[in-house]
Amino acid sequence: NAGVTQTPKFQVLKTGQSMTLQCAQDMNHEYMSWYRQDPGMGLRLIHYSVGAGITDQGEVPNGYNVSRSTTEDFPLRLLSAAPSQTSVYFCASKSPYEQYFGPGTRLTVT
Amino acid sequence: QKEVEQDPGPLSVPEGAIVSLNCTYSNSAFQYFMWYRQYSRKGPELLMYTYSSGNKEDGRFTAQVDKSSKYISLFIRDSQPSDSATYLCAMTPINFGNEKLTFGTGTRLTIIP
Repeated sequence: NAGVTQTPKFQVLKTGQSMTLQCAQDMNHEYMSWYRQDPGMGLRLIHYSVGAGITDQGEVPNGYNVSRSTTEDFPLRLLSAAPSQTSVYFCASKSPYEQYFGPGTRLTVT
Repeated sequence: QKEVEQDPGPLSVPEGAIVSLNCTYSNSAFQYFMWYRQYSRKGPELLMYTYSSGNKEDGRFTAQVDKSSKYISLFIRDSQPSDSATYLCAMTPINFGNEKLTFGTGTRLTIIP
């Protein structure tokens, strides 16, 4: 039982490049979400999904796209990377009483 | 003003001391309160959750909620070096789950052996 896995662990992008952050869970949870964590800002919700085929925006969705074609996977796409997207990104999936977080992806945009 | 305020620290205490971590909030709709622990370069993990005013104890940890004052606390007794981490409070209006959690910024705690 791997829980929530994220790839890659680290990534450096140039401004304007695009990329996809991968997230997978093996706990059969319907609810999954993406957060970014910045110093002094805490964890902020980017997008979330309540099940396959259903996604919605969180607090800071601009510049990010998501899709949910399966229960297991919830990728986050950066369409055109900007330095303001330099952050640590966490994927999470939820049981009735607990969110399980992945190990995070450290993204630097230069 | 942020909905959830948390002193970022850093907080350093000697081993064995009692630690008090606190958050205040402004949204009276928040009903469900959680504390997460985050070790350096790791994802947050749930430490405790509670949905009512009063105290909830789990081993060396006690979570306290005062809804009338919009104030929550986490107490750590007999603190250990392994407790060194960042502690995040989180809360949600929903009373059965953790959707759309609002997090505090986290308090970085160091326990000195």
